[in-house]
Amino acid sequence: GAGVSQSPSNKVTEKGKDVELRCDPISGHTALYWYRQSLGQGLEFLIYFQGNSAPDKSGLPSDRFSAERTGGSVSTLTIQRTQQEDSAVYLCASSPSGPGELFFGEGSRLTVL
Amino acid sequence: GIQVEQSPPDLILQEGANSTLRCNFSDSVNNLQWFHQNPWGQLINLFYIPSGTKQNGRLSATTVATERYSLLYISSSQTTDSGVYFCAGANAGKSTFGDGTTLTVKP
Repeated sequence: GAGVSQSPSNKVTEKGKDVELRCDPISGHTALYWYRQSLGQGLEFLIYFQGNSAPDKSGLPSDRFSAERTGGSVSTLTIQRTQQEDSAVYLCASSPSGPGELFFGEGSRLTVL
Repeated sequence: GIQVEQSPPDLILQEGANSTLRCNFSDSVNNLQWFHQNPWGQLINLFYIPSGTKQNGRLSATTVATERYSLLYISSSQTTDSGVYFCAGANAGKSTFGDGTTLTVKP
């Protein structure tokens, strides 16, 4: 597609369940970022992938959060044993070469009941 | 890491008015962007402006890299300009976002 694609757009889950969020970046973009935005707040950095380099995981809030990027393209953010405080919009962005101009997807809204 | 301060936090304008939003950085950045988050949550790229001045219609932006700040100008504001404006900067790796300026334009 022409833009960054994220799925699902909405996810409602029960506390304690695992969730996977997917990001398909713009074709040819080497850098991929995950951010989190809680209601009414700014964007919180989670993780950054650049080419084949080791990812910058410095923003992951706990060991329940992990992410991978397969083949330098699609990325999956996994949250294990979800908690209510994990409820937020999870935003993915890509850039042609990192760091550079970011292009965001529409986000995945996660609600943990 | 870099600290990003945006001002003002909130701004209410009458349609047709002009405004200036500011973004200060605690350290030098070599990537700087302005975004508009619309009421549906979508982040729209406004400007990628590590330095200098750019204009796009009623919007323009200026970054003074040596003094670590950037300004976003909105002229002849319209109700559709309402939303949250974010700036973000990076000097290596990840971009850090400010807390945003919430703009409300009244008809």
